[in-house]
Amino acid sequence: QQQVKQSPQSLIVQKGGISIINCAYENTAFDYFPWYQQFPGKGPALLIAIRPDVSEKKEGRFTISFNKSAKQFSLHIMDSQPGDSATYFCAASHPGNTPLVFGKGTRLSVIA
Amino acid sequence: DAGVIQSPRHEVTEMGQEVTLRCKPISGHNSLFWYRQTMMRGLELLIYFNNNVPIDDSGMPEDRFSAKMPNASFSTLKIQPSEPRDSAVYFCASSLFNGDTEAFFGQGTRLTVV
Repeated sequence: QQQVKQSPQSLIVQKGGISIINCAYENTAFDYFPWYQQFPGKGPALLIAIRPDVSEKKEGRFTISFNKSAKQFSLHIMDSQPGDSATYFCAASHPGNTPLVFGKGTRLSVIA
Repeated sequence: DAGVIQSPRHEVTEMGQEVTLRCKPISGHNSLFWYRQTMMRGLELLIYFNNNVPIDDSGMPEDRFSAKMPNASFSTLKIQPSEPRDSAVYFCASSLFNGDTEAFFGQGTRLTVV
C-alpha cells in the first residue's frame, strides 16, 4: 500500500514556466511534509518542508501548498530553470523521530 | 562536515556472493536509515536505527538482508546471498531529531548483481 501518492511521473516545462507536482496521502497522523530534490548520481536533498498548521510556505522560487482537508500538498516551482531539472520526491512522516515515507518521484525536465 | 559517507559507490558482484554496504552517518546524528531506490518502487525504507538500536526492519525484503549498527559512527547492510533482483541504488541517511525529521542522504551505493 502506497502511503504517499505522487503525480505526475514525469514533467516537461519550458524555461520560465511554472512546474507543479502533486502529492496525496491517506494517513492523517502524518505531521511533516518535506520535498526532496535529487540530481543524477546524488542522494536526495531537502528542498522545502511544511507542517499541517500552515497552508503555504514559500522559499525563493519554491512554494508548498498544503490542503489538510483534501490530504494533498503540492510543490510549485516558479520561473523554472534548466538547473531545476532533477527528480523531486514528496514525503511524509509521523510525529517524533520516525522515518520519511516517500512518493515515487517526478522527473522534471526544464527545456530552454 | 563531510556529510553521510557511503562505500563503495559502485559494486558489481555475481549472484550468490555476499555484499556488504557501509555507511558513516553525520557526527552527532542519532538516527540512521537505509533506503533502496529502484525505478519501479522508488525509495523504500529497509530499516532504521535510533541511538544504534534497530527500531523497524519490516522493510527488509528477505532474510538474506541484514543490517547492523555497532556504534554511532558506523552501519552496515549485508546481503547474503545476493540475487539479480537486489540490483538497485542503496542509500544511507542520518538525522538528528529536533522537532523535524530532516534526513541527510549519502551519495548511495549502486549495486549490480549479475
